Formats: sequence, C-alpha cells, structure tokens
Amino acid sequence: DVKVTQSSRYLVKRTGEKVFLECVQDMDHENMFWYRQDPGLGLRLIYFSYDVKMKEKGDIPEGYSVSREKKERFSLILESASTNQTSMYLCASRPGLAGSNTGELFFGEGSRLTVL
Amino acid sequence: ELKVEQNPLFLSMQEGKNYTIYCNYSTTSDRLYWYRQDPGKSLESLFVLLSNGAVKQEGRLMASLDTKARLSTLHITAAVHDLSATYFCAVGKTSGSRLTFGEGTQLTVNP
Repeated sequence: DVKVTQSSRYLVKRTGEKVFLECVQDMDHENMFWYRQDPGLGLRLIYFSYDVKMKEKGDIPEGYSVSREKKERFSLILESASTNQTSMYLCASRPGLAGSNTGELFFGEGSRLTVL
Repeated sequence: ELKVEQNPLFLSMQEGKNYTIYCNYSTTSDRLYWYRQDPGKSLESLFVLLSNGAVKQEGRLMASLDTKARLSTLHITAAVHDLSATYFCAVGKTSGSRLTFGEGTQLTVNP
C-alpha cells in the first residue's frame, strides 16, 4: 500500500514563527502536492512538484514556499505564520506519467496547524 | 478555469434510505475521482472513473460518470450509519494534470 506520512498531526505556533511541514512518501512517486482544507472551501492547492527540485504554484501560493530536495520528501514552509494560515494541511502523491497512473492522489493523514 | 460543484453540501438521511450526491464540473474532462473523509482523518480514495459511461460499485455506493453532461453521481443504497462521512469529488483533465476538488458533501446517516 502507498504510504504518505506527514510528520506532525497537530501543531500550535505563534504569529511570525517559521513553520515547516514535512511529507514523506514511500512509493517512489514523482508527483507530490500540498493542499489546505478549510470548512466550506474544500481542498485548495498550494504548491505541487513533478520532480526533484521542481515546483509549481497552485491556486493559493501566497505566504508559502516548498522544498523538494529528495524524491520522497516534500516540505511546505510558512516563512512567517499568520492567523489566517490556521488550517488543515494535506500532502498527497501519485506516480508520474510513465508509471501506472490513473491520476489518483494518495493522501497523508493531514497536519492541523493553529496559529495564535 | 475548471470549477467543480457538489450538491447537496449537507445531507442528513435515515438508515435504509437511498440518496444521490451530484458532482458537476465546468470544462471538458474524462476522469473523475470520489474520496471519503472521516472526521479528523485524511482522504481515502473510493472510485476512479476514467471514461464516459463508467460505473463502479463498492458495497452500498455506486458512482457513475457522464462526460457529455459533465456530471458524476454517487448513489447510496440502503444507507447505514458507517457511511457517515464527507464525500469529495475531484476532476482532472488528464492523468498528469492537477485535480480540482468540489466543496465536499457532509453525509450524516441517522439510526
């Protein structure tokens, strides 16, 4: 089974702090994604990566950055956390086009971030 | 811009009843996904629909896709309490494209 692991299930941070959310997948997937989930808004794409050291902006990249130094790891960084970034953050992965790929995403358990 | 809308957003139903959740999307696409999310948990894949007319069934849930109408349905037969969850549909144009999610339908099945 595909396993996508997010390092922290619950975090509480203060406004202005730098926050790192880590995501690791064990299926050698090329594609990785970060979403945030808010009530009434569904899932919104923050950033995604098609390969190591590659990144592309999603729909709501402002206030976030990402890092993909290794294929299995995709990190989401909040340079200076703000209260409006309080949310559930979901990481997902899937194979690249050369793999057995239906386009389906495999999700991690989520990281619930509260910014005070 | 691809938009995905689910209807209804909230659904409260009694055990044993049938109901349908609708997922409409705005631009041409031939692949649609249904996910389930339990409270405090992540998203679990339910169905992957990859062509017009595709129909898939798992237990009391059946999903179908009509690409001409840009519509997918998730039909619940004889609901049971264990089906209480939030259901999301997501649409992608190709296997390599990003997915756009609907707002989710929060289903509560009452005894």
